[in-house]
Amino acid sequence: DAGITQSPRYKITETGRQVTLMCHQTWSHSYMFWYRQDLGHGLRLIYYSAAADITDKGEVPDGYVVSRSKTENFPLTLESATRSQTSVYFCASSDQYEQYFGPGTRLTVT
Amino acid sequence: GQSLEQPSEVTAVEGAIVQINCTYQTSGFYGLSWYQQHDGGAPTFLSYNALDGLEETGRFSSFLSRSDSYGYLLLQELQMKDSASYFCAVRPFNAGKSTFGDGTTLTVKP
Repeated sequence: DAGITQSPRYKITETGRQVTLMCHQTWSHSYMFWYRQDLGHGLRLIYYSAAADITDKGEVPDGYVVSRSKTENFPLTLESATRSQTSVYFCASSDQYEQYFGPGTRLTVT
Repeated sequence: GQSLEQPSEVTAVEGAIVQINCTYQTSGFYGLSWYQQHDGGAPTFLSYNALDGLEETGRFSSFLSRSDSYGYLLLQELQMKDSASYFCAVRPFNAGKSTFGDGTTLTVKP
C-alpha cells in the first residue's frame, strides 16, 4: 500500500533499554522527519533527513540516533530509554511544502 | 531563529465562523502551511499559502500577509467534527525543515 507507515504502533519498554522505531514511505520523498509530541503539546523535531545518508539534528536530538541508508526508510533509535522519552512519535515525509505524517508510535518508558 | 504564535484555545458553536491566527518571526520562508490533528490521530495537511492573499478550499480558507508577518485559518459553517488542534508551520529558505506553532485547540459546541 502506498503511504507512510510506522511500527510498532505501541511500545512499552523499560528504562535503559534500546528501542528502535521504524518508518517507511512509498512515495520516494526526499525529506523525512521525526517528531515527538508530548501529551497536550505541539510537535518537536528530533531529526530530519534531506536524502539518503544525509541527516541533521532538530530541536531535541539528545538521546536519539537516526540513519537513512535507503530513501524509503528512516529508523529512529533511542539508545538508552528514559522516562522523559515517553511520548508519541510521528514520522513524516515531504517532497515540497506538504508533510505527510505516519500514524504515530505511542512509546511508554517505565 | 523562527517562532510562530497561535492562541492556545478557541471555542465556537456549530454553524459559526472561526478564525485562528498565526503570527511569526522569521526572515524568509517559502510559505505558510496549516495542519489539522484530531485527538489521538496524526496531523494532516489542510492548506498552503505561498503568496499573500486568501486561498479557499471548501469550508476552509487560509490567508497570508508577509508584510504583517501574519496569517490565519478561517473555518466556516463549523461542524462538530472540526473540533481538533490546528497548527501553522513555515519552512524557512535556509532550512529543509519546517517550524511548527504550538497549536490551537478548537472546540465546537452544539
